[in-house]
Amino acid sequence: DTAVSQTPKYLVTQMGNDKSIKCEQNLGHDTMYWYKQDSKKFLKIMFSYNNKELIINETVPNRFSPKSPDKAHLNLHINSLELGDSAVYFCASSQNRRGTEAFFGQGTRLTVV
Amino acid sequence: AQSVTQPDIHITVSEGASLELRCNYSYGATPYLFWYVQSPGQGLQLLLKYFSGDTLVQGIKGFEAEFKRSQSSFNLRKPSVHWSDAAEYFCAVGFTGGGNKLTFGTGTQLKVEL
Repeated sequence: DTAVSQTPKYLVTQMGNDKSIKCEQNLGHDTMYWYKQDSKKFLKIMFSYNNKELIINETVPNRFSPKSPDKAHLNLHINSLELGDSAVYFCASSQNRRGTEAFFGQGTRLTVV
Repeated sequence: AQSVTQPDIHITVSEGASLELRCNYSYGATPYLFWYVQSPGQGLQLLLKYFSGDTLVQGIKGFEAEFKRSQSSFNLRKPSVHWSDAAEYFCAVGFTGGGNKLTFGTGTQLKVEL
């Protein structure tokens, strides 16, 4: 069973479109995250939710809107896609405990053309 | 703000040779330290972590890492590298009050020569 699953794995879309990436975890974790990995493989956190409540928003453009319908799901909706949004987006989850590790999904490679 | 430095962008080793990947962090208190591995087209897999206690930690796939507070380092080691270890390795730091977010280093790409 996949612990953290994201769909789709690949997403190619045109500039200006709106798209969503879905994420689900079956680990029973309270906290979920979205990370962005750029073309140089640098990973940076975008958002973190704990029990459906937004707790971290790292200066991400407001075209990006996370939504957590329940603590097992954290979706990422992106409006008006730009070329610079092309990246790999990783969903992750962890327990809400100090020092706990994050479990990552397989990533969604978004290409904006 | 906390930061993580991985000074080596690329490392090439021969199969069977020993490996050490460097990681330095900047943070005022003791952080939580992690090493993750990313194979091509894959997500990140946790190799090991340091939270407290013994400064030499053992991980999966024969990896170990040593936390050295005086050097602000958390270097990853493996005594004998296998061809399947070729991947991207990321050091990451978390800290109390950070909401469990991870700050990652820029990664080290490991190539293994047969």
